[in-house]
Amino acid sequence: GAGVSQTPSNKVTEKGKYVELRCDPISGHTALYWYRQSLGQGPEFLIYFQGTGAADDSGLPNDRFFAVRPEGSVSTLKIQRTERGDSAVYLCASSSFRGSDEQYFGPGTRLTVT
Amino acid sequence: AQRVTQPEKLLSVFKGAPVELKCNYSYSGSPELFWYVQYSRQRLQLLLRHISRESIKGFTADLNKGETSFHLKKPFAQEEDSAMYYCALSGRDSGNTPLVFGKGTRLSVIA
Repeated sequence: GAGVSQTPSNKVTEKGKYVELRCDPISGHTALYWYRQSLGQGPEFLIYFQGTGAADDSGLPNDRFFAVRPEGSVSTLKIQRTERGDSAVYLCASSSFRGSDEQYFGPGTRLTVT
Repeated sequence: AQRVTQPEKLLSVFKGAPVELKCNYSYSGSPELFWYVQYSRQRLQLLLRHISRESIKGFTADLNKGETSFHLKKPFAQEEDSAMYYCALSGRDSGNTPLVFGKGTRLSVIA
């Protein structure tokens, strides 16, 4: 079956611009996670959805970052007033029920802020 | 605070040699530990988890609560094992929690 998909695969934007990153989880998965992976680092948690609601957004670095999942399926990560330090690979993962069930990762979106 | 430490950024071994990728964790409760692997040009995928006690692709990992370690081992490395390996932790006693990852170890198996 189809795995987690993310679009775009690459995004280059100028400092100060707004970007949206999209994640399509595996059908039926209720939990959805966003992680950010900077060069030479492991993935770092940003936000976690259970259904439509954000169950934990403690990893969002500041109020320029926001994510939604209005129908409990597709999620969009939104970054306002991008900064060069936001450059990273943004990973999305989904899992079937509980947070400790296997998380299936998407291919990631590589964001470059120039 | 939850923390996962992988002390080696790069580990090079010869084909057929034993492999041990080190992982230590810090967590005050009851953790669930995982190893994820990322092969070249592929997405991150689960290799194994401590609660299943499985051997996947010849790899095993035992949770040692006394040493707070979850080292990944394989007796005989193969070239196809070359990849990036991440140890990760989830807090089982905290309900649904995201994963906390280490920085990763790149395993290079030399023919």
